[in-house]
Amino acid sequence: KQEVTQIPAALSVPEGENLVLNCSFTDSAIYNLQWFRQDPGKGLTSLLLIQSSQREQTSGRLNASLDKSSGRSTLYIAASQPGDSATYLCARASGTYKYIFGTGTRLKVLA
Amino acid sequence: GAGVSQTPSNKVTEKGKYVELRCDPISGHTALYWYRQSLGQGPEFLIYFQGTGAADDSGLPNDRFFAVRPEGSVSTLKIQRTERGDSAVYLCASSSGGTIYFGEGSWLTVV
Repeated sequence: KQEVTQIPAALSVPEGENLVLNCSFTDSAIYNLQWFRQDPGKGLTSLLLIQSSQREQTSGRLNASLDKSSGRSTLYIAASQPGDSATYLCARASGTYKYIFGTGTRLKVLA
Repeated sequence: GAGVSQTPSNKVTEKGKYVELRCDPISGHTALYWYRQSLGQGPEFLIYFQGTGAADDSGLPNDRFFAVRPEGSVSTLKIQRTERGDSAVYLCASSSGGTIYFGEGSWLTVV
């Protein structure tokens, strides 16, 4: 079974902290990996896409890395803000289209 | 359109009734996906279209679920003889290689 695991399941931090969200997957035959943000009652917003030939991507305060050999990806959020509070989901694709999602990390950044 | 549009945003139906959920993808996107998300879980793959054809329908849970995309643009997810266990958010997404864009979802409640 192609599983995607996210740790921690929930996280509460004070504003300004740097934090790391973890994603691990069982199948190393990965095509690409995406990190998404989901606000309560909303759809998913893509944050970062890492192609299979890449090791990391950066966008503003976000940095995502991919280590296919260990089956892990991390999302680093610098200088967290209350507006970062949401659920963060990682998803891997083993082919060109089919994404398998983790259950997410629920982040709360306290002002 | 500017994004993936889904209708209805909310649907309450009685057990045993038939339901249709509509998805209007981003203009020009040939790939279209349907996912289902239950509370506290990550999205679960249902079906993938490339153009008009269903390239992978392996995620459809049973024969009560069916989806079409007759002209390669708008897609309809059809659920027959709905059951209470079908209650979930049904998410549609589209892509043109790489980043996948999600709609806000259709919240289905079967009572």
